[in-house]
Amino acid sequence: AQTVTQSQPEMSVQEAETVTLSCTYDTSESDYYLFWYKQPPSRQMILVIRQEAYKQQNATENRFSVNFQKAAKSFSLKISDSQLGDAAMYFCAYRRANSKLTFGKGITLSVRP
Amino acid sequence: EAGVAQSPRYKIIEKRQSVAFWCNPISGHATLYWYQQILGQGPKLLIQFQNNGVVDDSQLPKDRFSAERLKGVDSTLKIQPAKLEDSAVYLCASSLDTGAHQPQHFGDGTRLSIL
Repeated sequence: AQTVTQSQPEMSVQEAETVTLSCTYDTSESDYYLFWYKQPPSRQMILVIRQEAYKQQNATENRFSVNFQKAAKSFSLKISDSQLGDAAMYFCAYRRANSKLTFGKGITLSVRP
Repeated sequence: EAGVAQSPRYKIIEKRQSVAFWCNPISGHATLYWYQQILGQGPKLLIQFQNNGVVDDSQLPKDRFSAERLKGVDSTLKIQPAKLEDSAVYLCASSLDTGAHQPQHFGDGTRLSIL
């Protein structure tokens, strides 16, 4: 069974600074997809970024980028120039073909003004 | 583009009562998902539909939970009878198809409290 581990329950960052959220996963598959979702207090899960395992290039979306280390099964999210609106729970998730999306337990990110 | 609509937003019931949640996915999305998110945890898939057929309901407690998507558009999730451990947020999501690469779009969820 695939598992997704987010070992840090909480993190804090100063506004305008950079923060990195960690995620590791366990799989025997070579082809899969990894996601980071953001869940603000409003509860709606919002897709932040997606990475295809077959791509070596790390995905980037504006201030959000990932460090994908396939051999180490690591998938961290870097948020640059942190903003107050980035405060939320962040979930790392994994999915392979013909399988369900598996989420980690999440990490609560707070942003200090 | 209208997002995934869910109702109600909050529901409080007593144990052993029944409750139903409704979800309307994004127009054109063939795949619909129901998740249960217990406080402090990530969402767990309960059931996945492709049009009006069930793709995966392996984690649905079928003795008390049921779900349908009769016309392949909107869906209802029912719990009968409810237990204390069913207190959670119930999230509905949709995607264009079942492809693993497809992003899932989530609704605002229903927060269920069991007294």
